[in-house]
Amino acid sequence: QQQVKQSPQSLIVQKGGIPIINCAYENTAFDYFPWYQQFPGKGPALLIAIRPDVSEKKEGRFTISFNKSAKQFSLHIMDSQPGDSATYFCAASRAGGGNKLTFGTGTQLKVEL
Amino acid sequence: NAGVTQTPKFQVLKTGQSMTLQCAQDMNHNSMYWYRQDPGMGLRLIYYSASEGTTDKGEVPNGYNVSRLNKREFSLRLESAAPSQTSVYFCASSGKFAGTFIQETQYFGPGTRLLVL
Repeated sequence: QQQVKQSPQSLIVQKGGIPIINCAYENTAFDYFPWYQQFPGKGPALLIAIRPDVSEKKEGRFTISFNKSAKQFSLHIMDSQPGDSATYFCAASRAGGGNKLTFGTGTQLKVEL
Repeated sequence: NAGVTQTPKFQVLKTGQSMTLQCAQDMNHNSMYWYRQDPGMGLRLIYYSASEGTTDKGEVPNGYNVSRLNKREFSLRLESAAPSQTSVYFCASSGKFAGTFIQETQYFGPGTRLLVL
């Protein structure tokens, strides 16, 4: 049973475009929603995270939009650059859950010149 | 400060062989995790250790065992490797410090690529 569903599986945008990656979750006990970025041959690294008490969080060119009622959250990358080409994973965890993350299946993003 | 280190980087095994994947962290973190990453499936938790001396099963524990040797080290053992265990294995750790998201952030190692023939 996949508790965090991520789409699309892959995405190609032009430099300067705004790729959007979407995730939906089922468990209403989740209260922490991070996004991880992974470059080929490397381990994932935390990019940005949000808690459900806010609807949006922005860090530099990266923004998370959160819709608690719809149980959905998304990552927007403003003014995308070729260096943003990577695989992005959404995830979720719940308080008291031992900080165990449930990951989405990943989105492979390619930003073309 | 190396963060999370994993050895080996790459390993080829024959079906039925055993091996231990090693992981160490130098961030004084309490919690450590083992994940496997397969194409189209994201990262799935195999085992985790909330603190030294404790371990617990994750989503896909079958065929694996773990040992939390001390606060720094967390090893993953495959007793009898199977082709279905061909994957990339990541170790991660997280701390327990005050501050927004600091305690939840998981820091990942570079991974071990395992091929079981």
